[in-house]
Amino acid sequence: NAGVMQNPRHLVRRRGQEARLRCSPMKGHSHVYWYRQLPEEGLKFMVYLQKENIIDESGMPKERFSAEFPKEGPSILRIQQVVRGDSAAYFCASSEERTEAFFGQGTRLTVV
Amino acid sequence: AQSVTQLDSQVPVFEEAPVELRCNYSSSVSVYLFWYVQYPNQGLQLLLKYLSGSTLVESINGFEAEFNKSQTSFHLRKPSVHISDTAEYFCAVSGTGANNLFFGTGTRLTVIP
Repeated sequence: NAGVMQNPRHLVRRRGQEARLRCSPMKGHSHVYWYRQLPEEGLKFMVYLQKENIIDESGMPKERFSAEFPKEGPSILRIQQVVRGDSAAYFCASSEERTEAFFGQGTRLTVV
Repeated sequence: AQSVTQLDSQVPVFEEAPVELRCNYSSSVSVYLFWYVQYPNQGLQLLLKYLSGSTLVESINGFEAEFNKSQTSFHLRKPSVHISDTAEYFCAVSGTGANNLFFGTGTRLTVIP
């Protein structure tokens, strides 16, 4: 059973471009979470999704950020018109109903 | 909503010395509590968890944590640390009626030879 898969591991974007981060949850997991880790800071919750539904997006910036978890395929975190302040590690985690979350290796986004 | 406070951002300790990493939480409902460890340039790995039952939980590599409801704490301890324990440690909480996990800001444990 493969773990949580995130790709790409590293992503470089110029200011103004779009960044798409993908997360394939563990097999059988229907809950996905996205977190952002800024340099020298802890993990900040962004969004919690179940299949085709956003459950909690209280940590998502109001503009430029969106997330989806379609019925088929990976969860996508999309950042439009990236700025330097978006540079961070983005972690995805998945879980079954009310069990512990398993984390992916993260995507390190660098905006130049 | 739940929140977690990890007061110590960095904890240096000599090899084979004991260590305690502090974690306090706030919640209006019953909680599940977790400690995750993050090694450099890697994702988070679950270290141990409290869901119910015994308030003292242990990991396979010698760490333990005790759920103290009256003090709303879940401190992580190890009686004798090893160089390989150098990592970032995150405490997390979720409400028992929900799936969402909220993390503290992390404690960087550095074991000094």
